Amino acid sequence: DGGITQSPKYLFRKEGQNVTLSCEQNLNHDAMYWYRQDPGQGLRLIYYSQIVNDFQKGDIAEGYSVSREKKESFPLTVTSAQKNPTAFYLCACTQAGGNTIYFGEGSWLTVV
Amino acid sequence: EDQVTQSPEALRLQEGESSSLNCSYTVSGLRGLFWYRQDPGKGPEFLFTLYSAGEEKEKERLKATLTKKESFLHITAPKPEDSATYLCAVRGGAQKLVFGQGTRLTINP
Repeated sequence: DGGITQSPKYLFRKEGQNVTLSCEQNLNHDAMYWYRQDPGQGLRLIYYSQIVNDFQKGDIAEGYSVSREKKESFPLTVTSAQKNPTAFYLCACTQAGGNTIYFGEGSWLTVV
Repeated sequence: EDQVTQSPEALRLQEGESSSLNCSYTVSGLRGLFWYRQDPGKGPEFLFTLYSAGEEKEKERLKATLTKKESFLHITAPKPEDSATYLCAVRGGAQKLVFGQGTRLTINP
């Protein structure tokens, strides 16, 4: 099946830990995105990448890092510098020059 | 700066009671206005893309329309399965989607 796969679905982080959320797509889309969603709020852009080995900060990049070594993969690391990481994280992708952005099923991150 | 405001924040309807959701936007060089449906704990599901004022798109009980300043998502004779949060987003010259906070729609049987 074609699509976007995020893992894990649920993740718990201890204070001071870095954690990495996985996002893999087999749609052959060029651009990939990470969004954060807090309860009752809209989506806010963390990072995006339009081609391999290149990425740009979104509106709330502080405390996060990404890499784009392969076209199909765009992992997000939530570092210990992110003071309020508990949220729902969504990965998305779109074709080069395309407009419609398709989303994965999301990952819940909770700080314990 | 691109901005999107959705209203109302929450809407409760009886089954069969038609209504509309509003999405007001400001954007530099609109490259698309998008509607998504999101169920609790799930990723947003794409519904429509609108590109220019006057454009309309339909899918089952949903119809999206666009003007230069706002978009409406009309829901005709809704059913309980239409209950979800509906998200509006715009894409401008910066090539990134900017989302509104969503409208939480509940359809009572």
